[in-house]
Amino acid sequence: GAGVSQTPSNKVTEKGKYVELRCDPISGHTALYWYRQSLGQGPEFLIYFQGTGAADDSGLPNDRFFAVRPEGSVSTLKIQRTERGDSAVYLCASSLSGGPETQYFGPGTRLLVL
Amino acid sequence: QKEVEQDPGPLSVPEGAIVSLNCTYSNSAFQYFMWYRQYSRKGPELLMYTYSSGNKEDGRFTAQVDKSSKYISLFIRDSQPSDSATYLCAMRKTGANNLFFGTGTRLTVIP
Repeated sequence: GAGVSQTPSNKVTEKGKYVELRCDPISGHTALYWYRQSLGQGPEFLIYFQGTGAADDSGLPNDRFFAVRPEGSVSTLKIQRTERGDSAVYLCASSLSGGPETQYFGPGTRLLVL
Repeated sequence: QKEVEQDPGPLSVPEGAIVSLNCTYSNSAFQYFMWYRQYSRKGPELLMYTYSSGNKEDGRFTAQVDKSSKYISLFIRDSQPSDSATYLCAMRKTGANNLFFGTGTRLTVIP
């Protein structure tokens, strides 16, 4: 079956612009996660959704970042007033029901802020 | 200090060698331990998932957890060039949902 998909695969933007990154989880997975992976680092947690609600947004670095999952499936990560330090790979993962269930990762969106 | 420490390498071995990858952690709340493999420009792919201390084997891969020492390992036997990738350890605390990752170890297996 289809895995987690993310679009776009690459995004180049200018400092100060607004960007949206999309994640399509595995069908039937209620839990969805966003992580950010900087060059040479492991992924760092941003936000976790269970269904439509953000159950844990403690990893969002500041209020320029927010994410939505209005129908409990597709999620969009939104970054306002982008900064060069936001350049990273943004990874989305989904799991069947959260908790100890295996998290399956998408290929990521590579964001470059010039 | 990071909660999960992993030697970033790089590590280069000849084909057929046994590879040992390791992570240490500082928080005893970590109870679930994973190893992910990440090829260049791809997302992490789960290799092994363990809960208790001890060994878990899957083909050429063995995961080892020592909770008393807060130390986990991944062994790869008969390493192949296709094993060349970055290996990430990951951990989850009881009652939490997010994963904490090490920095990843970049492995190259030379034919």
